[in-house]
Amino acid sequence: GENVEQHPSTLSVQEGDSAVIKCTYSDSASNYFPWYKQELGKRPQLIIDIRSNVGEKKDQRIAVTLNKTAKHFSLHITETQPEDSAVYFCAASRISGGYNKLIFGAGTRLAVHP
Amino acid sequence: GAVVSQHPSWVICKSGTSVKIECRSLDFQATTMFWYRQFPKQSLMLMATSNEGSKATYEQGVEKDKFLINHASLTLSTLTVTSAHPEDSSFYICSAIYGYTFGSGTRLTVV
Repeated sequence: GENVEQHPSTLSVQEGDSAVIKCTYSDSASNYFPWYKQELGKRPQLIIDIRSNVGEKKDQRIAVTLNKTAKHFSLHITETQPEDSAVYFCAASRISGGYNKLIFGAGTRLAVHP
Repeated sequence: GAVVSQHPSWVICKSGTSVKIECRSLDFQATTMFWYRQFPKQSLMLMATSNEGSKATYEQGVEKDKFLINHASLTLSTLTVTSAHPEDSSFYICSAIYGYTFGSGTRLTVV
């Protein structure tokens, strides 16, 4: 089955700096890679996703890159703000017409200091 | 759109009792829902996949007789934790296939 590894487990940056979180996956058939932001005690919120036919996707200060050959994908947050502080999870899934269960990485606790 | 409503948001129960958690898709039909468990400061671990009108599919290591899943309609899936014990205390959260929308989660505390 799919296995997703995520690094680093914690990340501390100064406001305005960039933050990068990296994930690797094991199943070459996985073709959908979402990223979630989870604040304490709340549900995960989808912040950006990428499919395997795309190498990069950007949404304002957030971008995701995917390297299918190396089976890794990364989240990039630029111009970080204190409200970006949260736990971020990557996930991988195989969309094939049927159900698509998401396998999550272990999470990265991001702290943005003013 | 694609809202999943989950109830209760928190519950405290005595050891040995059962607790039912509901997830409803409010503005779409969910033929499949996923149930996750999240311990403090840990990731979301998939417990089972709930399929409307058929048996749930459980992940390895999850006791199907302890975590009963029912998906009797296209808008409702339930998870019942039977004979709950303190080690079952966790954050349980459902997710629907459409848009990967999550319910708000249920914090279960077994005393």
